Amino acid sequence: QQQVRQSPQSLTVWEGETAILNCSYEDSTFDYFPWYHQFPGESPALLIAIRPVSNKKEDGRFTIFFNKREKKFSLHIADSQPGDSATYFCAARTEGADRLTFGKGTQLIIQP
Amino acid sequence: GPKVLQIPSHQIIDMGQMVTLNCDPVSNHLYFYWYKQILGQQMEFLVNFYNGKVMEKSKLFKDQFSVERPDGSYFTLKIQPTALEDSAVYFCASTGGSSYEQYFGPGTRLTVL
Repeated sequence: QQQVRQSPQSLTVWEGETAILNCSYEDSTFDYFPWYHQFPGESPALLIAIRPVSNKKEDGRFTIFFNKREKKFSLHIADSQPGDSATYFCAARTEGADRLTFGKGTQLIIQP
Repeated sequence: GPKVLQIPSHQIIDMGQMVTLNCDPVSNHLYFYWYKQILGQQMEFLVNFYNGKVMEKSKLFKDQFSVERPDGSYFTLKIQPTALEDSAVYFCASTGGSSYEQYFGPGTRLTVL
């Protein structure tokens, strides 16, 4: 059972544009929503995360928009750079449990 | 930043044999995890481990799987015996407990023939 859905599977944008990656979920007990990125051959690394008490979290060029009512959250990468090319995973943590449920990932390519 | 190491990076093994995957977590972390990722699929939680005990495991954590961290050394995932469907990339993660951030290793690609 896939509890976190991620789209698109792959995304190509031009350098300087804003890349938008989307996730949705079903479980209302999720209480923490991180985004990880992974470069080939490297570990997934935490990029930014949000709790449901907020509907927006910014860190430099990276912004999470969170819609609790619709159970959706998205990652916006502004002024995208070729170095942002990677696979991005959204995830969710179950309240009271200590595990992450991941989306399938989005392969992001930034064209110079 | 903090690093989680995994050894080996690749392992090829015949079906039915035993395999041990090793994880060197961040030095002061207390909580440890294994996730499994089949090619093209999402990472899926297998098990978490704290204070020498399995705290929670998913239905993917079959009876053939076991975890331990003897005397603060490697955190290991042992599969005995292996099956073809165990072929996947296995990611180890750790966290200090004061935040939800899980630090991941680079994964071990396991191929069962």
